[in-house]
Amino acid sequence: NAGVTQTPKFQVLKTGQSMTLQCAQDMNHNSMYWYRQDPGMGLRLIYYSASEGTTDKGEVPNGYNVSRLNKREFSLRLESAAPSQTSVYFCATRAGGSVETQYFGPGTRLLVL
Amino acid sequence: DAKTTQPPSMDCAEGRAANLPCNHSTISGNEYVYWYRQIHSQGPQYIIHGLKNNETNEMASLIITEDRKSSTLILPHATLRDTAVYYCIVPGAGSYQLTFGKGTKLSVIP
Repeated sequence: NAGVTQTPKFQVLKTGQSMTLQCAQDMNHNSMYWYRQDPGMGLRLIYYSASEGTTDKGEVPNGYNVSRLNKREFSLRLESAAPSQTSVYFCATRAGGSVETQYFGPGTRLLVL
Repeated sequence: DAKTTQPPSMDCAEGRAANLPCNHSTISGNEYVYWYRQIHSQGPQYIIHGLKNNETNEMASLIITEDRKSSTLILPHATLRDTAVYYCIVPGAGSYQLTFGKGTKLSVIP
């Protein structure tokens, strides 16, 4: 039972390159989230998916797209990476219902040069 | 979400209780208080949550004042592995989102 997994663990991109961050969960949770964390800051929500087939913007969606491929997988795409997107990206899941207990993956460290 | 206020940093001696305060004076009656922590470079980890009664689990205790305007997370016997940033979060009722502030950086000292 791996919980929440993220790939890759670390990535270096050049400005303008594209890439997709992958997140998968085996917890059978309905909701999934993408956050970013800049140095010394708290996490900020990029996008979330309340259930399979739905996605919604969070606090900082600009420059990103998401796909909820199925119940298990939620991917985050950077179409044209910018240095301002250098950050640590965390995926999280939530079972549903009224309780806001979220379970986080280990993170992807992204450096955009 | 109700705004929360936490001290930026605290120290605690190893083996002693760590008491982390949080103010949430604008909390409404049906909003829960959640605590998460983030050990360096790792994803945040859920600790505990509560509505109005005090709560305890294997990790910590949560004390919520009677007027619900503040709470305290208690780690009863802090270890070096408890060194982390601790976040107090009050999501809006029915909200699917957690808003992470800067939290309290707890340093457990040998």
